[in-house]
Amino acid sequence: DTAVSQTPKYLVTQMGNDKSIKCEQNLGHDTMYWYKQDSKKFLKIMFSYNNKELIINETVPNRFSPKSPDKAHLNLHINSLELGDSAVYFCASSQGLLRLNEKLFFGSGTQLSVL
Amino acid sequence: GEDVEQSLFLSVREGDSSVINCTYTDSSSTYLYWYKQEPGAGLQLLTYIFSNMDMKQDQRLTVLLNKKDKHLSLRIADTQTGDSAIYFCAESPYGGSQGNLIFGKGTKLSVKP
Repeated sequence: DTAVSQTPKYLVTQMGNDKSIKCEQNLGHDTMYWYKQDSKKFLKIMFSYNNKELIINETVPNRFSPKSPDKAHLNLHINSLELGDSAVYFCASSQGLLRLNEKLFFGSGTQLSVL
Repeated sequence: GEDVEQSLFLSVREGDSSVINCTYTDSSSTYLYWYKQEPGAGLQLLTYIFSNMDMKQDQRLTVLLNKKDKHLSLRIADTQTGDSAIYFCAESPYGGSQGNLIFGKGTKLSVKP
């Protein structure tokens, strides 16, 4: 059973399109995250939700909008895609709020390519 | 800016020790982490160390931190084929929050029988 699953695994699209990436966790965790891995392989937090409430919103263009319909799901919608949005996006979850020894469980990533 | 560097590949024989090295740039990082990514799976936290510690041992894992040189290493004793994975070093420049992490590119560990 996959703990954190995100779809699609690969997404190729044209500039200007709107796309969504879905994420679901079956671990019963309260907190979910979206990370972006850039071309230099650095993983950086974008958003974090705890019990469907936004708790972290880093400096991300407002073309990116997370949606959490329930605490098991955190979807990422991106409007007006740009070339610079090409990256691998990782969803993650943890039992509680960002405690130091909290284990983060990551999905396997969505590789987004904007042409 | 923040940067985390690690070698990309490491190959060892089963039963040997593996040492994965990492250097980071942000001296304000309070916590440093090692994550493991198994083939086809997501990242999982292996272990972490406070910046005021030199060493931390957790079963077969030993983390060494040289804060002066900003060097972090992960030693896996008695490496097994199941340890084959990509290992990511990460620093937390904002102190303590796992949400704000800078990851290295990952070291692919191959364990030969």
